[in-house]
Amino acid sequence: QQQVKQSPQSLIVQKGGIPIINCAYENTAFDYFPWYQQFPGKGPALLIAIRPDVSEKKEGRFTISFNKSAKQFSLHIMDSQPGDSATYFCAASVEGGSEKLVFGKGTKLTVNP
Amino acid sequence: GAGVSQSPSNKVTEKGKDVELRCDPISGHTALYWYRQSLGQGLEFLIYFQGNSAPDKSGLPSDRFSAERTGGSVSTLTIQRTQQEDSAVYLCASSLTGYYGYTFGSGTRLTVV
Repeated sequence: QQQVKQSPQSLIVQKGGIPIINCAYENTAFDYFPWYQQFPGKGPALLIAIRPDVSEKKEGRFTISFNKSAKQFSLHIMDSQPGDSATYFCAASVEGGSEKLVFGKGTKLTVNP
Repeated sequence: GAGVSQSPSNKVTEKGKDVELRCDPISGHTALYWYRQSLGQGLEFLIYFQGNSAPDKSGLPSDRFSAERTGGSVSTLTIQRTQQEDSAVYLCASSLTGYYGYTFGSGTRLTVV
């Protein structure tokens, strides 16, 4: 019930490609869905986040698509660059209480020049 | 400080020894979280502090794990009688407004030999 399932585990694209990372959840109480980007040796950094009252959110080259009925959300990276090579984590949380995040297992993205 | 600071950055300890991991949050951030990141896994919630209180300790894996926070600032995560399965990166995050603004530190990589 508390899990967030993320796929694929790894992804390789060419520069300029549009990698897509997918996540699915079961707990319908989740109401906040962030994506984090992590570089080796660093902590995760918030990239973009969405609430379930909207179906899409775009910030620069990063877009979250959200399908409430399917309980799925995805991250698209437009015009990907080698500097986007990192591990990406989706997460989910319930507003109120501890507001702890439940994370997916991550996707290692490699963008080749 | 400018960011969340964790120390040490790396710790190698012998099985059965106790270890203390330290987190200095961003000044003024009232919420503080500890997460654990094992190889190939997502981030696993351990404990949440609001001020000096820990209203959510549900993620602590066993009674060998404990944490405290003093002065609404520095937090220490203690692992007693370390086991090899405790080997992981321990990440601390702080926030002013709960999950809307998590800032993670770079983590402490703990290796139990």
